[in-house]
Amino acid sequence: EAQVTQNPRYLITVTGKKLTVTCSQNMNHEYMSWYRQDPGLGLRQIYYSMNVEVTDKGDVPEGYKVSRKEKRNFPLILESPSPNQTSLYFCASSLSAGSSYEQYFGPGTRLTVT
Amino acid sequence: GDSVTQMEGPVTLSEEAFLTINCTYTATGYPSLFWYVQYPGEGLQLLLKATKADDKGSNKGFEATYRKETTSFHLEKGSVQVSDSAVYFCALSDPGFQKLVFGTGTRLLVSP
Repeated sequence: EAQVTQNPRYLITVTGKKLTVTCSQNMNHEYMSWYRQDPGLGLRQIYYSMNVEVTDKGDVPEGYKVSRKEKRNFPLILESPSPNQTSLYFCASSLSAGSSYEQYFGPGTRLTVT
Repeated sequence: GDSVTQMEGPVTLSEEAFLTINCTYTATGYPSLFWYVQYPGEGLQLLLKATKADDKGSNKGFEATYRKETTSFHLEKGSVQVSDSAVYFCALSDPGFQKLVFGTGTRLLVSP
């Protein structure tokens, strides 16, 4: 089954404790991205990747890192999480960049930083 | 920058009622427009899209028409079902497609 998977689905952590949220897709997609969803703000892009070893900042990259060493994986790293990073995070992928390609979203990771 | 404005929710309807969720956008170029749906506990799914002016996207009984003159992409359905209860997001992408720009989402609640 074609899908985007994220782990963990739920995470409660403390300020400053490094964490990684994994994202993997099995569709051989070139384009991957991370969004955060906050009430009243919709979804905002954090980082995106056009292909392996090619990443760039989105609208809200502060406090986040990403890497794209393999085509299928695009982990989101929070080196020193803070309470303002409490949010619902979505990974997405598409065959390529371009609006004619459908974006497939993962199920989301709900992160709480205390 | 580009932006999307959606009507505030929740929208509460009875089954078989007519649905309209308003969406307007601001963009410098000629964006593509999308409606995504998020069911409880799930990720977003593409519902429909339109890539140029006067295009109509449709899927599962939902429709939206790309109106360049009013910069709008309103979502409509003639007869909603309880299973349509979800959060609906309007979004746009620029021609270069580095990202999707989302509205804030509109929650739809349909009662039997």
